[in-house]
Amino acid sequence: SQQGEEDPQALSIQEGENATMNCSYKTSINNLQWYRQNSGRGLVHLILIRSNEREKHSGRLRVTLDTSKKSSSLLITASRAADTASYFCAFLSGSARQLTFGSGTQLTVLP
Amino acid sequence: DAGVIQSPRHEVTEMGQEVTLRCKPISGHDYLFWYRQTMMRGLELLIYFNNNVPIDDSGMPEDRFSAKMPNASFSTLKIQPSEPRDSAVYFCASSLVGASYEQYFGPGTRLTVT
Repeated sequence: SQQGEEDPQALSIQEGENATMNCSYKTSINNLQWYRQNSGRGLVHLILIRSNEREKHSGRLRVTLDTSKKSSSLLITASRAADTASYFCAFLSGSARQLTFGSGTQLTVLP
Repeated sequence: DAGVIQSPRHEVTEMGQEVTLRCKPISGHDYLFWYRQTMMRGLELLIYFNNNVPIDDSGMPEDRFSAKMPNASFSTLKIQPSEPRDSAVYFCASSLVGASYEQYFGPGTRLTVT
């Protein structure tokens, strides 16, 4: 299956700074979702953006989607040490009912 | 709701042994997915079910892997015989049609085959 690609692979920032992660994909999509995975845990859904939306907010999260560039970004504002985790984009395309996951970004927020 | 439940949480077995992983999806969800996660290959979809019927098993690596869903509240992933390269974390996830296919993941089973 066509995976999404994320960059950077790893990101280390200080508490209070903003963190931006990017996701690119190759096919047309129905929606794009972001998930967080804490060490040793399962993935947790964070936010979903539909193909006809350009920006969405949820608390300290901001997601943008540019379908012309086939890319999305996740911005976490005012980061906290508790935001340390891996973040994955996942997208739904065509008639598929399964998500295609990206390779993930490992975010470390230093206190 | 208790969320997706997986058992066991950890499994250590010797090469050649049979391994059975179990999953209870969220009540009312009609899709169930099995994933495998490793450092090298990331998160891989192995198989998924809709209303207990396997829809796509193209991700199942070999005939040694099999999955069943006898009813809406239970699924198993079996590896027989197991090999060291099967060592990974196996996740089960469920979702509900019409909910944009947002998936709810279980805590995973960490499998180590020695």
